[in-house]
Amino acid sequence: AQSVTQLDSQVPVFEEAPVELRCNYSSSVSVYLFWYVQYPNQGLQLLLKYLSGSTLVKGINGFEAEFNKSQTSFHLRKPSVHISDTAEYFCAVSGNAGNNRKLIWGLGTSLAVNP
Amino acid sequence: EAQVTQNPRYLITVTGKKLTVTCSQNMNHEYMSWYRQDPGLGLRQIYYSMNVEVTDKGDVPEGYKVSRKEKRNFPLILESPSPNQTSLYFCASSSPGNNQPQHFGDGTRLSIL
Repeated sequence: AQSVTQLDSQVPVFEEAPVELRCNYSSSVSVYLFWYVQYPNQGLQLLLKYLSGSTLVKGINGFEAEFNKSQTSFHLRKPSVHISDTAEYFCAVSGNAGNNRKLIWGLGTSLAVNP
Repeated sequence: EAQVTQNPRYLITVTGKKLTVTCSQNMNHEYMSWYRQDPGLGLRQIYYSMNVEVTDKGDVPEGYKVSRKEKRNFPLILESPSPNQTSLYFCASSSPGNNQPQHFGDGTRLSIL
């Protein structure tokens, strides 16, 4: 079975500081990995995805993530955060349950950017 | 604009009163899915649909029904809502293939009293 663990439920950080949101997964097969962001009162929006190829993936809003197969990790990073980055961030793995395209979700990391 | 539209966005209702949450997508996606989001439990899949007239249970289907009569619409039906179905609900759609990202609606917050 596949699973996703987001290692921090809350991450407070000051504006313009770097941030890393950690995600580990377990799977016995090759995976596709995603990071989604949820702003208050909105749905989830795709930040970036890893499908294959280069292990460093760049997404929207200056975020990037690195796929590490040996450590089964897909950590999200941003070198300098803004107040507007305050949101809930979800890591997800593409499921492998037959025809179901269900995503296996982490429980989320709440990023709070303070002035 | 490509989007997934859910209605209503907010609903307060009472136990036992049937309700339907509509979901419509304009991207011609085959795959559609319903999730509920609860504090501490993350997102859990309720039902999904691979295409028209093809639906199946997700992880937490009890108390819910769905239908997929048209490609663009995937309504979620609560025949007899109960307080434990108070939650934030999301509809999502995507193209075929496990490498395709899912597109989400803005959510429907249901409160069952």
